[in-house]
Amino acid sequence: GDKVKQSPSALSLQEGTNSALRCNFSIAATTVQWFLQNPRGSLMNLFYLVPGTKENGRLKSAFDSKESYSTLHIRDAQLEDSGTYFCAAEAMSNYNVLYFGSGTKLTVEP
Amino acid sequence: NSKVIQTPRYLVKGQGQKAKMRCIPEKGHPVVFWYQQNKNNEFKFLINFQNQEVLQQIDMTEKRFSAECPSNSPCSLEIQSSEAGDSALYLCASSLLGNERLFFGHGTKLSVL
Repeated sequence: GDKVKQSPSALSLQEGTNSALRCNFSIAATTVQWFLQNPRGSLMNLFYLVPGTKENGRLKSAFDSKESYSTLHIRDAQLEDSGTYFCAAEAMSNYNVLYFGSGTKLTVEP
Repeated sequence: NSKVIQTPRYLVKGQGQKAKMRCIPEKGHPVVFWYQQNKNNEFKFLINFQNQEVLQQIDMTEKRFSAECPSNSPCSLEIQSSEAGDSALYLCASSLLGNERLFFGHGTKLSVL
């Protein structure tokens, strides 16, 4: 079964609005990373998280290891935020592997 | 954001042919990973290295895939005999320490006809 469930699978936002993406883990996640993949395939690392929160500009992410979830909040969405967002978790069972969610395809419209 | 360089960007092979792709990790990063991303956005870990040493590889990698990270040369991933199911985006990533903050390259998109 899915070790990392990511939702929603697709999302459409108007410029300037806010939204949140979520990942639920069925593994004992120890760290989480969030990536943005552009249409050409390049994966950009947005956050690396131990349990807690981080903020970078209009993005804010949280990871709760006890409740087994992570969120990515996007504030004041811009056109360049469009792409596919992936979360990925490291688990106690295997520190060599990242377990990826299936992605959220975000489209920001003018 | 990332300085991981992957070549070629696109690779087209016939079934049974060898397919080789290369990766230059970010400078100073001793840990290198290869992942396969299929058209359904499923990521599969293939192999990882610490410097030149293999840390872990999956069964698929052991049988038809070969990979290496020689010192002072690009890392490489080679499929000995390509199959249609190997068509995917192959992503190389590097890090300073384990899974701590991975930086990915643009990937090599392999199409096996």
